[in-house]
Amino acid sequence: DQQVKQNSPSLSVQEGRISILNCDYTNSMFDYFLWYKKYPAEGPTFLISISSIKDKNEDGRFTVFLNKSAKHLSLHIVPSQPGDSAVYFCAATGGGSNYKLTFGKGTLLTVNP
Amino acid sequence: NAGVMQNPRHLVRRRGQEARLRCSPMKGHSHVYWYRQLPEEGLKFMVYLQKENIIDESGMPKERFSAEFPKEGPSILRIQQVVRGDSAAYFCASSPFGGGDNEKLFFGSGTQLSVL
Repeated sequence: DQQVKQNSPSLSVQEGRISILNCDYTNSMFDYFLWYKKYPAEGPTFLISISSIKDKNEDGRFTVFLNKSAKHLSLHIVPSQPGDSAVYFCAATGGGSNYKLTFGKGTLLTVNP
Repeated sequence: NAGVMQNPRHLVRRRGQEARLRCSPMKGHSHVYWYRQLPEEGLKFMVYLQKENIIDESGMPKERFSAEFPKEGPSILRIQQVVRGDSAAYFCASSPFGGGDNEKLFFGSGTQLSVL
């Protein structure tokens, strides 16, 4: 019963181009969504988040879009840099227990120089 | 990220032994969370603790697993009589306020448990 799905296990893009990572969810109780980035042998690091009252949140090169009707969110990275190469996890929470994150399986992003 | 300290980084146990994983939260954080990542899976919530209290253990297996966060010292996740299926990365996270609105969790680097 996967409530948060990242259907692309991996993505490869050229440096300077846009990276788009996608995430779908099924639980209508989710009202807060986050993206975490993880390098090998390290823990996940918070990247950006969005509340369900918004449809877009931007932070520098990173933008998250939320489409509630489709239960879909995406992370755009532009321009992509080699240092962005990592596993990106989509996570969701809601119902007042914001510490109880439900994670997707992650997407490995590789940015080629 | 570096502020949440977990040790050991790697732990090897034989079936039936006990595993103890330690976590020191970031300075100023009194809320600790444990997550587990099985191979090829996302992280899954296990337990939420405050000092001397278990707040939510809904993600913890009912048997063999326990967690504590004493008044002094790190939080401990204890797994008794380990089995091969316990092999996973165990991540600890902390926060200052206990998962309030729009709060972020700060994760440690994890403990990789391997059960032989």
